Order: sequence, then C-alpha cells, then structure tokens
Amino acid sequence: DTGVSQDPRHKITKRGQNVTFRCDPISEHNRLYWYRQTLGQGPEFLTYFQNEAQLEKSRLLSDRFSAERPKGSFSTLEIQRTEQGDSAMYLCASSDLGRPYNEQFFGPGTRLTVL
Amino acid sequence: AQKITQTQPGMFVQEKEAVTLDCTYDTSDQSYGLFWYKQPSSGEMIFLIYQGSYDEQNATEGRYSLNFQKARKSANLVISASQLGDSAMYFCAMREGEYGNKLVFGAGTILRVKS
Repeated sequence: DTGVSQDPRHKITKRGQNVTFRCDPISEHNRLYWYRQTLGQGPEFLTYFQNEAQLEKSRLLSDRFSAERPKGSFSTLEIQRTEQGDSAMYLCASSDLGRPYNEQFFGPGTRLTVL
Repeated sequence: AQKITQTQPGMFVQEKEAVTLDCTYDTSDQSYGLFWYKQPSSGEMIFLIYQGSYDEQNATEGRYSLNFQKARKSANLVISASQLGDSAMYFCAMREGEYGNKLVFGAGTILRVKS
C-alpha cells in the first residue's frame, strides 16, 4: 500500500522566485488537502480538493498561492514571488470518505526555505 | 471557531511507564471528531487514534487510549508502557462534523521517553 508522496522534499529558493510542489495521494483517495506547518506549531489548513474540485481555501492562501488537481489524482501547489515568511513545511494529506474515521494520511512534506 | 489547546509544551516519561498528554477543545458544533497524530523527527504525521463526539466509549488502539470527557471538552491521549520509539511530537486535532473537510491542530506536545 503506497502512502502519500511529495516532491521535492526540500526546496531552497531566493525571495521573489516561484516554486511548485507536487503531491501524489493514496490512489483510491478522493480528498486531498494542503497544510502549512511552521517551526514549533501544528499544521494549518490551506486548501482541499474533492476529486478535481477545489472546495475550500483558507484565508492563509494569499493570491500568490495557487493549487490544482487537474485530473483528480496528483496535486500541485505553486507559490509565486516567494517571501521569507513563506518558509515552512508544506504538508499534503489525502483521505477516503469510505473509511470509518475519514482520517487523513499525510505525506513526508516539502520543506521550503526562502533566502 | 474551532480551537485546540495543548498546554504541555514538553513531557518526559520513563520507559515502560504510562503518560497522559492533555488536549482541550472549543467548538459550538454538536458533531465533531477528535484525532491524535504523532510526528517523529522525520516529519511525517502518523494517525494514532480517533474519537467521535457521539461515541460513548473511550477509543482505544493498542497502547493508545483516549480519555474523552465531553462536558469538560477534553480529549487526553494516554500512552501505556512507553517505548523509546514513542519519543516524538504529538498533535491533537479536531474536525467539524463526521465528514468535515479540514483538521484544526493544537500546537503539539514533545514527548521524550527516558531509558
């Protein structure tokens, strides 16, 4: 059973550059979530998809952030014109509404450092 | 708005002893779910245990049990027979409704198991 995978695991970029992260959920999971986690804090919800539809976005997701899940499988999260405050761990999770608890399974995360 | 409070930034426990990690929550919803996740130093969030707001029995999962006190809005995690591998960050999280879309996390508790 393959878990949630994320690529890259680490990204270092300069302020003002664009970055894109990829998430591959567990194959039969119809929901996909993005969270951001800063040092010493719990993850904060950014957005989620049910199949290919993006159904909710947090106010944390500024105009510089965009997420897609074009065919209801993998998802990408793009950050344009990165700022130092964007430095964080970006976590992807997926879930299957058919499971008893609808628990979310998390990937290993992408750690972003903006210089 | 939902809120999760974990008041213990760090805890120590002797190997083979039991430990309780505290979690209180705030919500105006009648239907909600409570989760505990473990985050080792590798970064991946691991689902441990779930308690639904309408569940009358406390959840148990192997060495993990949840002390659910609905009137006090607390959902403490009890780890019995601690092992060195239990050393990690532990997060309490809440989801609105049975099929809610996002998790709200607390700030976490770092647990260190001493040999």
